[in-house]
Amino acid sequence: GQNIDQPTEMTATEGAIVQINCTYQTSGFNGLFWYQQHAGEAPTFLSYNVLDGLEEKGRFSSFLSRSKGYSYLLLKELQMKDSASYLCAVILRQAGTALIFGKGTTLSVSS
Amino acid sequence: EAGVTQFPSHSVIEKGQTVTLRCDPISGHDNLYWYRRVMGKEIKFLLHFVKESKQDESGMPNNRFLAERTGGTYSTLKVQPAELEDSGVYFCASSQEFGSGAEQYFGPGTRLTVT
Repeated sequence: GQNIDQPTEMTATEGAIVQINCTYQTSGFNGLFWYQQHAGEAPTFLSYNVLDGLEEKGRFSSFLSRSKGYSYLLLKELQMKDSASYLCAVILRQAGTALIFGKGTTLSVSS
Repeated sequence: EAGVTQFPSHSVIEKGQTVTLRCDPISGHDNLYWYRRVMGKEIKFLLHFVKESKQDESGMPNNRFLAERTGGTYSTLKVQPAELEDSGVYFCASSQEFGSGAEQYFGPGTRLTVT
């Protein structure tokens, strides 16, 4: 079976840095996505990693280690609006374009 | 550019009834996906259309679920007859490109409650 693990909840304060980890054990791997989802809204794309290393995009960065089956999403200079669920999703080679999701990490940012 | 839209936003039906969910993808996106999130679980893939053809329907739970995309534009997902375990949020997504790196744009979902 496919297994993607993320912490269920995290808390942080405004202005801080938070790292959300994702580990995966899957039969095949063809890339990892991070999505942000505010309550009652659509998941929105944050990043895509297929090669090892760090991808930086503004306040958000995503890292991938394929050999370790590990990724993290790094959020800097946290703002209240960053309070949301963060979803890690893997594409398997065999499954084409179907996304395999973790359960998501609910991040609460306080002032 | 309008995003992916879904209708209705909420639906409450009784066990045994029929419900049809609709998804309008972003204009020009040939790829359309259906996903479902049951309470407490992760979002799970149901099926993938390329234009009007079903590319992958490996995630469809059983034959009570019927997805169509006539004309390759909007799609419908019908549940008939609905069971209690069908309750959850049904998401639709679309993408312009085909392939593992193609960004999928999600709609806000339809929350289905079966009582």
